[in-house]
Amino acid sequence: QSALTQPPSASGSPGQSVTISCTGTSSDVGGYNYVSWYQQHPGKAPKLIIYEVDKWPSGVPDRFSGSKSGNTASLTVSGLQAEDEADYYCSSYAGINIMIFGGGTKLTVL
Amino acid sequence: EVQLVESGGGLVKPGGSLRLSCAASGFNLNSAWMTWVRQAPGKGLEWLGRIKSKINGGSTDTDSAAPVKGRFMMTRDDLKNTVYLQMNSLKTEDTAVYYCARGFSDSWGKYHGDDALDIWGQGTMVTVSS
Repeated sequence: QSALTQPPSASGSPGQSVTISCTGTSSDVGGYNYVSWYQQHPGKAPKLIIYEVDKWPSGVPDRFSGSKSGNTASLTVSGLQAEDEADYYCSSYAGINIMIFGGGTKLTVL
Repeated sequence: EVQLVESGGGLVKPGGSLRLSCAASGFNLNSAWMTWVRQAPGKGLEWLGRIKSKINGGSTDTDSAAPVKGRFMMTRDDLKNTVYLQMNSLKTEDTAVYYCARGFSDSWGKYHGDDALDIWGQGTMVTVSS
């Protein structure tokens, strides 16, 4: 199973919105509504910020939103803040009890 | 406080073995599906495998990623609130930070054991080198 495809980098200014894509296949992203997104600051463990494509775990601000169309999922960060600068990873259930991750996107707040 | 703490990492020669531990506190491990994820230096996250709970599976079913299948084995001791990752026949490409993580239970009671991980440990570094 190949990793999901994410752009290596994304950027935006404070207050702006930025969208990060996550492209898979019909066997993973396109086949299930089980896409999650994680935020990882340097040297820290990942943090779940979106699950089941567009749902928020408790405590995650609604500035983070998720969506999906076909084989591509997206994470939008609205009202960018300095603390949003981090690496972002998507993941998808891929059937046969397997989870796969994207390669990660480094978000820079200019 | 709900947390996971990994231990057991270190330097090992190619072909060697290592056992990682993941100790849970603040919640009952016996109902959780636990996943192992690794991250090579400067690289992305890689799913390694998941071990179900006895409550959900009846037996502690495991599923593993192809690169580690047959070399890595996940077990759990719910009495000790700990899960383990036994790593054998280690290769230099296994060098990474290893994380354990808990399957997520949402507000509606739906369990996301195979698609969302809400509690992660701090990670333990494994270096495979001669």
